[in-house]
Amino acid sequence: QKEVEQNSGPLSVPEGAIASLNCTYSDRGSQSFFWYRQYSGKSPELIMFIYSNGDKEDGRFTAQLNKASQYVSLLIRDSQPSDSATYLCAGGGRGGKLIFGQGTELSVKP
Amino acid sequence: DTGVSQDPRHKITKRGQNVTFRCDPISEHNRLYWYRQTLGQGPEFLTYFQNEAQLEKSRLLSDRFSAERPKGSFSTLEIQRTEQGDSAMYLCASSLAGAMDTEAFFGQGTRLTVV
Repeated sequence: QKEVEQNSGPLSVPEGAIASLNCTYSDRGSQSFFWYRQYSGKSPELIMFIYSNGDKEDGRFTAQLNKASQYVSLLIRDSQPSDSATYLCAGGGRGGKLIFGQGTELSVKP
Repeated sequence: DTGVSQDPRHKITKRGQNVTFRCDPISEHNRLYWYRQTLGQGPEFLTYFQNEAQLEKSRLLSDRFSAERPKGSFSTLEIQRTEQGDSAMYLCASSLAGAMDTEAFFGQGTRLTVV
């Protein structure tokens, strides 16, 4: 079992819809979780991080963490074509290293 | 400071040759990480430094790979006797150990192709 798992997609949503990206993790010791966005051929860029159970909102993005279920999600409201990218979920490990899932490809159709 | 800088951006090498990549982190960051990413996969942790000390290496990392950060600033990653399976994007990231110590920022990566 991989430490961090994501559905690889592709996930396709129409412009203006809510995109829901999900991630599960196996290490109950993980305290922090990160969502990175990666455009094709580019490096990952941080969207949000979350440490506490519950929701954290930043603009059109909401991260949700449920430690009991070992589940992390990212909601993107009012999806735009420019949101089309691969979204990487990562758990924070010892020394700040990141354990990434395989990424979910999101396509937002105009 | 414009962020994490990696050099070169692209490298094509013949199998069996040695290659070296450089990473310049964000100047105030004391932690530096190397990751490898292949197509369709998320980045895979290779190793990290806090200042000049290499604190962890992935068990998956072959002995052909070595990394240094001699003065706690820039870092180099060397791959000896390259193999076709080494073809990947090599990403460097840096962060500042502290309250938000795992908020890491990535460089643009070095894409290695072994032919």
